[in-house]
Amino acid sequence: EVQLVESGGGLVQPGRSLRLSCAASGFTFDDYAMHWVRQAPGKGLEWVSGISWNSGSIGYADSVKGRFTISRDNAKNSLYLQMNSLRAEDTALYYCAKDVHPAFCGGDCHNWFDPWGQGTLVTVSS
Amino acid sequence: IQLTQSPSSLSASVGDRVTITCRASQGISSYLAWYQQKPGKAPKLLIYAASTLQSGVPSRFSGSGSGTDFTLTISSLQPEDFATYYCQQLNSYPPWTFGQGTKVEIK
Repeated sequence: EVQLVESGGGLVQPGRSLRLSCAASGFTFDDYAMHWVRQAPGKGLEWVSGISWNSGSIGYADSVKGRFTISRDNAKNSLYLQMNSLRAEDTALYYCAKDVHPAFCGGDCHNWFDPWGQGTLVTVSS
Repeated sequence: IQLTQSPSSLSASVGDRVTITCRASQGISSYLAWYQQKPGKAPKLLIYAASTLQSGVPSRFSGSGSGTDFTLTISSLQPEDFATYYCQQLNSYPPWTFGQGTKVEIK
């Protein structure tokens, strides 16, 4: 069974940093791209960042570009999100999601997310 | 690419036929997915490529559309279907974008 377990969330002051982790099991981790998606309290889904199987392709939402860094360690079956210069608007439940392909596709190949972890809550407040 | 879902919420009874619409700001061929999210739970993939049912998803769920207009239909609403539904465009990324969600509530 595929499992994604996020950790590292918590209460942090504006301007500080936090590192999220996602531990993957039940599948060959380095065969798939991975993503972070967040959901602010009572709001919809916002894609944050994605990384291909070999870290060769990485993407960020404009709202986090320059502040967040995605990475992965295939030997540890783990995905990470380093979040710096945190703002109140970064407060959200952060989900780790597995892509259905190893890389960001083009042409006749397209990426969607399945499954998702249960999320880790990040609260940015003084 | 912006996705606009309608309605934002709806009330329906068990056994009703429910239709949710997702409109893209530009053509995305058939590159759309639908997710279901129950309260306190992670989103779950229902449909990809606009109309392909994910394995294990009940056949009362169906998707259709191409270009800019898409629909998710639940043919006979069941108690476990009360949830929020999101569409996601798969055509042009990054970024991957989602609709704002449609909450299906019990009438």
